[in-house]
Amino acid sequence: KQEVTQIPAALSVPEGENLVLNCSFTDSAIYNLQWFRQDPGKGLTSLLLIQSSQREQTSGRLNASLDKSSGRSTLYIAASQPGDSATYLCAVRMDSSYKLIFGSGTRLLVRP
Amino acid sequence: DAGVIQSPRHEVTEMGQEVTLRCKPISGHNSLFWYRQTMMRGLELLIYFNNNVPIDDSGMPEDRFSAKMPNASFSTLKIQPSEPRDSAVYFCASSYRPGLAGGLSSYNEQFFGPGTRLTVL
Repeated sequence: KQEVTQIPAALSVPEGENLVLNCSFTDSAIYNLQWFRQDPGKGLTSLLLIQSSQREQTSGRLNASLDKSSGRSTLYIAASQPGDSATYLCAVRMDSSYKLIFGSGTRLLVRP
Repeated sequence: DAGVIQSPRHEVTEMGQEVTLRCKPISGHNSLFWYRQTMMRGLELLIYFNNNVPIDDSGMPEDRFSAKMPNASFSTLKIQPSEPRDSAVYFCASSYRPGLAGGLSSYNEQFFGPGTRLTVL
């Protein structure tokens, strides 16, 4: 059974710092991995989608990497801003399923 | 496009009452997902529709929960009777699946609605 873990559960950093959020999964037979952002009281916003054949995806200050063989993905946020404060969730989709399996999220606070 | 629309945004009800949550997927999307989010269990898939047909309802907690998709632009999730442990945020998400010819790998990115925060007293 696939399990997705995100460490740390919470992170507080000063504005301007570069940071890395981690996501690990136990079964490497994934089809893709998605990073989401969730603001308090809001829905999920898709940030980046990495197919299993890809190593990384970039969007603005965000860069997500995928190492399927080791069961890990990282989300790198450059030059963090207070507006980046939110919960970040990763989710994997298995080769044989339409289901997204979510991690429990990392709650990020960027202090001005 | 307005994105996935859910209503109501907040619902407070008393135990035993019927609750109906509504979802309008993104126009042109043919896959619809209902999720539940709680602090204890995180995000869980409740049911998945493809082309208005329920494909997998194995995540529906019990018979008190039911979901329908009468057409491509509307879905409901009903809880009857509601219980305090049903309190959670319920999300609807939609995506486009090109068709069986594309295989299971053709499932695309899911777009989420803002959610309905349900409180059962």
